Amino acid sequence: DGGITQSPKYLFRKEGQNVTLSCEQNLNHDAMYWYRQDPGQGLRLIYYSQIVNDFQKGDIAEGYSVSREKKESFPLTVTSAQKNPTAFYLCASSTPRRAGGPAEQFFGPGTRLTVL
Amino acid sequence: QKEVEQDPGPLSVPEGAIVSLNCTYSNSAFQYFMWYRQYSRKGPELLMYTYSSGNKEDGRFTAQVDKSSKYISLFIRDSQPSDSATYLCAMSGGMTTDSWGKLQFGAGTQVVVTP
Repeated sequence: DGGITQSPKYLFRKEGQNVTLSCEQNLNHDAMYWYRQDPGQGLRLIYYSQIVNDFQKGDIAEGYSVSREKKESFPLTVTSAQKNPTAFYLCASSTPRRAGGPAEQFFGPGTRLTVL
Repeated sequence: QKEVEQDPGPLSVPEGAIVSLNCTYSNSAFQYFMWYRQYSRKGPELLMYTYSSGNKEDGRFTAQVDKSSKYISLFIRDSQPSDSATYLCAMSGGMTTDSWGKLQFGAGTQVVVTP
């Protein structure tokens, strides 16, 4: 079964702690993305990576960090510097675009992070 | 001002009615227009996409793009309770401006179809 897995499904964090969200894909996709979803705000891009050992900041990267040591894995760390981390976090992957079509992004099931 | 605007709803309709959803955008470089469906506490899944202007139909779903007005729509005919979900529009540029297809999403509209 090809797809994207995210773990854990629910995560609780105390203020001041760093936490790492896992994202793994077996679709052999080159690109991977992290989004944050808040009620009424849609998906906002945190970081994305087009190739192993390279990644770029998205629109809201402050307080987050990522690594891309393997093609299949793109973990996201929410640091204590992120002021309002409670949200639903979605990981996605895609292949490069081909002429005549968009790059369809496939999403994982998400991780709901709550800061206590 | 956001690049993509979408009314978050909720939009409540009776079963069998037509659901009408729309988004407006400001970036004229957008070429691909997508609609994703997201069930509660799940990741979004691609419903359909349209390139440039025009209509596209897939079963009960019809997507329309009017680039002159920077306005896109999704219609769901004969709506069912199983259509209850959040519908997100998403857009990306053409190959010359954005070869990796980075997406800009709308806020999503919550749709509730009542039996």
